[in-house]
Amino acid sequence: SAVISQKPSRDICQRGTSLTIQCQVDSQVTMMFWYRQQPGQSLTLIATANQGSEATYESGFVIDKFPISRPNLTFSTLTVSNMSPEDSSIYLCSVVGDSFGNEQFFGPGTRLTVL
Amino acid sequence: QKEVEQNSGPLSVPEGAIASLNCTYSDRGSQSFFWYRQYSGKSPELIMSIYSNGDKEDGRFTAQLNKASQYVSLLIRDSQPSDSATYLCAVNQAGTALIFGKGTTLSVSS
Repeated sequence: SAVISQKPSRDICQRGTSLTIQCQVDSQVTMMFWYRQQPGQSLTLIATANQGSEATYESGFVIDKFPISRPNLTFSTLTVSNMSPEDSSIYLCSVVGDSFGNEQFFGPGTRLTVL
Repeated sequence: QKEVEQNSGPLSVPEGAIASLNCTYSDRGSQSFFWYRQYSGKSPELIMSIYSNGDKEDGRFTAQLNKASQYVSLLIRDSQPSDSATYLCAVNQAGTALIFGKGTTLSVSS
C-alpha cells in the first residue's frame, strides 16, 4: 500500500470562506479520488483528480464549489469554496496505484467544521 | 443508478462468535469487491478484496462472492471486541472509483 498524508487534519472555518486540503502520497499512483463523508453517513465520491487536466466531477458536485488540482502523480488538492455549515464533513483522498492492483487506499481524512 | 446495499445494523455478537456481514450490488458489470473497516473518527481501512466467485480467507476473515446473485459477504470468526467498527462494502469496475454501501455497524461484546 501507499503512505498517504492529508493537511490539515482538521479545521474550523467561518461561513463564506474557502479551505484547501492537500493530499500527498509517498509513491506515484495512477488514480486519485476525493470523497466526502458527512456525519453518520457513508462515503460519497466528489471527483476523480486527473493528472494534468480538469477533474471529473460526480453528479451534484461542481468545479466552482470544489476546485481540484493534481499537478503530478503524488499530489492533489481539493478546495471547498464559499463554505456553509452544510459543508461540515470529513474529506478523504484515496489512491490506486499500479503496484497494488485495483485496491484503493485512503488518507487519514480532513475533518472540517463550518460555523 | 449503481447501488450497494447493506444492513445498517447494529449487528451485535458475543466475543468468540462468528459475525456475518452481507452486501448486495446492482451493477452486473462490477469486477472488484472490497470490505473496509472504519473505526469511529478514523478513515476506512481495507481488510479484504475479492475478484472471483467463491471464498477468500485471510486470517479470521473470509470474503464470499456470488456474482450470479450479486452478493458479497464477510465472515469474521472468533470475533473480538476490537472488531467493533463499521464495515463498508465497496464495488467497482477496473479503473473507476469505488461505490460504497452505507455500512454495517458491528458490536462485539465481551
